[in-house]
Amino acid sequence: SQTIHQWPATLVQPVGSPLSLECTVEGTSNPNLYWYRQAAGRGLQLLFYSVGIGQISSEVPQNLSASRPQDRQFILSSKKLLLSDSGFYLCAWSESGFINTEAFFGQGTRLTVV
Amino acid sequence: AQTVTQSQPEMSVQEAETVTLSCTYDTSESDYYLFWYKQPPSRQMILVIRQEAYKQQNATENRFSVNFQKAAKSFSLKISDSQLGDAAMYFCAYRSAQGAQKLVFGQGTRLTINP
Repeated sequence: SQTIHQWPATLVQPVGSPLSLECTVEGTSNPNLYWYRQAAGRGLQLLFYSVGIGQISSEVPQNLSASRPQDRQFILSSKKLLLSDSGFYLCAWSESGFINTEAFFGQGTRLTVV
Repeated sequence: AQTVTQSQPEMSVQEAETVTLSCTYDTSESDYYLFWYKQPPSRQMILVIRQEAYKQQNATENRFSVNFQKAAKSFSLKISDSQLGDAAMYFCAYRSAQGAQKLVFGQGTRLTINP
């Protein structure tokens, strides 16, 4: 069966420090991968999505970046965090080529920038 | 770009009653998919129901059903016989059937169940 792992679960980082959040999927190949951010009490904002290795689409220009170094690995990064980067980050995957299938989500990372 | 709008930030309903959550979307595409997700306090996202735009019949899953009005670009969720476990944030989502397979969400509706 397919599983998705996202870590860390909680992170407190000072302003100006770097960020690296990692997400991996097991049990499938060539998945579509997504990074979302959820501000407190608000909706899910799509940040990046990827349909293959090295293929990253950005939805929101900001100081965050994403990479997909391996088929089932998706990394969210920042060189210098801002206070406004605080939030709940969710990684998700879906089957490629089967558009009506659901997206499966990781447990999320709560990031607090101080 | 496609957008999804949920105009009800919060809703409440008495246990065992019926509640309807609203969702509208904006797209120029004719073929797409719509979803309702539930996010309980654990923050784990759970699929509630899905609808293919090419299907006229409204989807149902046990106590959950949708009212899909393609011309009006409306996709509401009806929860019948509400239970305490239904309390959660509910998100409406849109996915294109063509090109980039991005999944776009609405702002969410917080549903409270009153015992």
